[in-house]
Amino acid sequence: EIVLTQSPGTLSLSPGERATLSCRASQSVSSSYLAWYQQKPGQAPRLLIYGASSRATGIPDRFSGSGSGTDFTLTISRLEPEDFAVYYCQQYGSSPQVTFGPGTKVDIK
Amino acid sequence: QVQLQESGPGLVKPSETLSLTCTVSGGSISSYYWSWIRQPPGKGLEWIGYIYYSGSTNYNPSLKSRVTISVDTSKNQFSLKLSSVTAADTAVYYCASTGILTGYSRYWGQGTLVTVSS
Repeated sequence: EIVLTQSPGTLSLSPGERATLSCRASQSVSSSYLAWYQQKPGQAPRLLIYGASSRATGIPDRFSGSGSGTDFTLTISRLEPEDFAVYYCQQYGSSPQVTFGPGTKVDIK
Repeated sequence: QVQLQESGPGLVKPSETLSLTCTVSGGSISSYYWSWIRQPPGKGLEWIGYIYYSGSTNYNPSLKSRVTISVDTSKNQFSLKLSSVTAADTAVYYCASTGILTGYSRYWGQGTLVTVSS
């Protein structure tokens, strides 16, 4: 069973700063099958990144994804006020077929 | 663009069966896998399973013994049944489209809170 671990659990930053979020898998994940989501309170998750590094439609270019194998990163180059939220990574393909990480909360310092 | 809407009871008694339906509009039901994902209050996301329009399913092994997902293509709907519920099944339940070759979920319903309580 594949397990995704995200770090840090909480990231306290100020608007304008750079955010670097980590997602580590217990076994290798195909880059094609690694996605990132943003979730704000009371809302459904929103797809940000798919295929480890491709931005979803309408996602600003301050969001970028990278990584391969077992280590993946979501970077927000300059935090905007609307970016303070919880971010989840997700893998597809290894049992269980879909797995989410526990999330990283980005809050205002 | 694809839109999804969950419907069903917001309160279910322990040991009973939770039943939810997701109505899909704005897209072909044959274009995606159709997933159920849940989120207990204050916690993370848990994938429950998905179904293809053909009826083929894939469930999370941790829930497989209690889960049934079905599809009604004539109504553009798919449904979730979760049996023998306990308080641990209290969560916001989301339906979502999941890419067949990609595995990510671009479109999500707004979510519906189901509370398990007597």
